[in-house]
Parts: sequence; structure tokens; C-alpha cells
Amino acid sequence: NAGVTQTPKFRVLKTGQSMTLLCAQDMNHEYMYWYRQDPGMGLRLIHYSVGEGTTAKGEVPDGYNVSRLKKQNFLLGLESAAPSQTSVYFCASRAGLIYSEQFFGPGTRLTVL
Amino acid sequence: GESVGLHLPTLSVQEGDNSIINCAYSNSASDYFIWYKQESGKGPQFIIDIRSNMDKRQGQRVTVLLNKTVKHLSLQIAATQPGDSAVYFCAERRSSNDYKLSFGAGTTVTVRA
Repeated sequence: NAGVTQTPKFRVLKTGQSMTLLCAQDMNHEYMYWYRQDPGMGLRLIHYSVGEGTTAKGEVPDGYNVSRLKKQNFLLGLESAAPSQTSVYFCASRAGLIYSEQFFGPGTRLTVL
Repeated sequence: GESVGLHLPTLSVQEGDNSIINCAYSNSASDYFIWYKQESGKGPQFIIDIRSNMDKRQGQRVTVLLNKTVKHLSLQIAATQPGDSAVYFCAERRSSNDYKLSFGAGTTVTVRA
């Protein structure tokens, strides 16, 4: 099992450009999440999904969109990147059980100039 | 806003000593807690979890204690090793109906040789 994988690992964008971050999991998990991590601020939830075809907003959703067309994939899109979106992005997944741990991917470091 | 927080942002420990990392939470309905370890440049990694109907849980060299009376969670690492140097996060699920985890800001543990 590869667990949770993220593509790409690094990316540099110019302000106004768009991009999509891909998250894939091979554990047949129901729930998937996108977080951003900034220095001293811990992990903040952007969007999440509780099943194929569903998405929901987290605590910092503005400027991002997501899609979950397949159960194993969760895509995070930035339509018009801003410097404030410079961050490390983590994807995570969790089985749809009452008590289950959350598995994280290795992260994507995004810089917006 | 965040309801999970850590008492100290940094902790310096002598190799071989025991480490204690603390976390306070404010939501009395929280029913599930997880400790994560994040090494530099990597995604958070599960260490140990505990349900709200438990006071203590032990793993390999780690013990989590839950005090629901004062809403306090701690992670104890026995015989701290250089490989334990990392950022440690506590996370909580605020209710049994919540699909999400809420993360604290993290404590950076540095092990001195």
C-alpha cells in the first residue's frame, strides 16, 4: 500500500495562475481532507469529503475548490493564486468508522510569487 | 476557533529523560483524541489515540493520559531519543457526529544529546 500520495511535491506559481493538487489514497477510505499548514498555526482544514461525489467547506475554504469524482482521489484547485496561499498543503484520509485514525500524505509545498 | 491547544510551543529534553507534552481542550463533548508526530519536511504521523471513556492508554514508549475533569490531555514519551525530535500535535473530535478533527498548534520537541 502506498497510503496517501500527493502530486506535486513542490510548485511555484505567479499571482493569478491556477493549479490543481492531486491526492490519492489506496486504503478505500471514505473520508478525505485538505489542510494547509503555516508556521505557528498548526493544521487548518480547507475542504473535506465524506464520500465519493460529496464535498464540504472547512474553516478556511475561500480561494479553493475541490472535487471528489472518484473515491480514491481528492483534488484541490486554486483558480487564481494569491501570495497568501503560499503554504504547505496536506491531504489526509480516514476510514468511515467511529474511531479511526487519520492518515496524512507527505505534503505539497506551494509558493505564490 | 480552535478549542485544542498546547501549553508550551517548545520543549527541550535531555536524551534518556522522559518527555511530557500537554494539551488542553475546551469542548466537553469531545469524544476522541489523537496525538501526531511531524518530522521536518514530512506529513503528520499517528502516534496514539484515546477515547473519552478511557483515562490512560499505552503504546510503545508512549502513554497518553486523559483527564476529562480538567479537560487535559498529555503525551508521555519514555527514554526520549534523538529520533523523537519533532513537532507533536494533539487533535480532537468534538462530537461523535463530527467528521473532522481539530488540531492544536503543536509543540516542538528538541532532544539534547
